[in-house]
Amino acid sequence: QKEVEQDPGPLSVPEGAIVSLNCTYSNSAFQYFMWYRQYSRKGPELLMYTYSSGNKEDGRFTAQVDKSSKYISLFIRDSQPSDSATYLCAMSSGNTPLVFGKGTRLSVIA
Amino acid sequence: GAVVSQHPSWVICKSGTSVKIECRSLDFQATTMFWYRQFPKQSLMLMATSNEGSKATYEQGVEKDKFLINHASLTLSTLTVTSAHPEDSSFYICSARFQNTEAFFGQGTRLTVV
Repeated sequence: QKEVEQDPGPLSVPEGAIVSLNCTYSNSAFQYFMWYRQYSRKGPELLMYTYSSGNKEDGRFTAQVDKSSKYISLFIRDSQPSDSATYLCAMSSGNTPLVFGKGTRLSVIA
Repeated sequence: GAVVSQHPSWVICKSGTSVKIECRSLDFQATTMFWYRQFPKQSLMLMATSNEGSKATYEQGVEKDKFLINHASLTLSTLTVTSAHPEDSSFYICSARFQNTEAFFGQGTRLTVV
């Protein structure tokens, strides 16, 4: 079993839809959870950072962490064509390298 | 968010030459920097981790003599691809982090070896 599992998609939704992205993981030591957005030929851009369990909201984005289920989610409300990108989940247990999911390709169709 | 500047954004070099890529954290002190390689439509592949003032820790299968990493200060790390060959052509991305906080990425460098 891989440390972090993420459905690669592609995921295609109409503009304005709510998008749900998620990752599961196996390492119970993970405490730091991140979501990144990566456009083609660009470096990943940090969207959300969460420590331990709970929810965090920033504009149209909401991150959820359920450590008991080893499951994290990113919700995008009112999705826009500019949200079309690859979304990567990442996590770590402390001062260790981030472990990434393989990324989910999202297309928001106008 | 914090800013990590990576330079150059793209470079073309001749086979056998060396190329240096710089990664700077502009508004925070990066206690740890990471270097990744990414092939088209694939996820990030960690090459090495470097802590300021220490030797880099390379991932299995990454040649340390080919990919020289220097992290001489809390704001600068460099990756030098030595004796580059066409198979080294790829997208290289750095990431910087202060202790256990979130990591920020540079814009990436597209290397083409001809």
